[in-house]
Amino acid sequence: QQQVKQSPQSLIVQKGGISIINCAYENTAFDYFPWYQQFPGKGPALLIAIRPDVSEKKEGRFTISFNKSAKQFSLHIMDSQPGDSATYFCAAINSGNTPLVFGKGTRLSVIA
Amino acid sequence: GAGVSQSPRYKVTKRGQDVALRCDPISGHVSLYWYRQALGQGPEFLTYFNYEAQQDKSGLPNDRFSAERPEGSISTLTIQRTEQRDSAMYRCASSLGQAGELFFGEGSRLTVL
Repeated sequence: QQQVKQSPQSLIVQKGGISIINCAYENTAFDYFPWYQQFPGKGPALLIAIRPDVSEKKEGRFTISFNKSAKQFSLHIMDSQPGDSATYFCAAINSGNTPLVFGKGTRLSVIA
Repeated sequence: GAGVSQSPRYKVTKRGQDVALRCDPISGHVSLYWYRQALGQGPEFLTYFNYEAQQDKSGLPNDRFSAERPEGSISTLTIQRTEQRDSAMYRCASSLGQAGELFFGEGSRLTVL
């Protein structure tokens, strides 16, 4: 059973546009929700993360929106650039109790 | 080194052979994780260590898979009697302490013929 469901599977966005990737989870014990970015041939790298006590976290052009009641969180990339083209994974963990579990990934292509 | 180092980067083996994959974590990182990543999929948890103690091995697919970290630094993932379904990218990650903040290596791609 997929613990974190991610959509869409792939996304094409024009340069300068907003990229939005969504994730949903079931386990209400999860207490940390990171997003990882992976370029071809590389390992995933932590991009931004949020805890469930806040509804939004922003770092530069990247924002996580968190909806605890709906058990959903999303990644927004503002002013998307070709260099943002990568695969993005949402993830979740119950710190100290469960390992970090990942969604299946979203392949983002930003075209000029 | 500055990052997580894995070796070999590529391993081709015949079905039935044993393979050992090595991970050298970032210096000082307490926790070490093994994940498996199929093409086009997210990383799938296998096992993890805090120092030399294996904390959770619930993700290991079967008893052909084992891992160790005897001195709390370098770790080895061993797959015995390999099968074609074992073919995948095996990724190691380490963490200083914050669960969920993982630093991944570039992986070891295993191909079983």
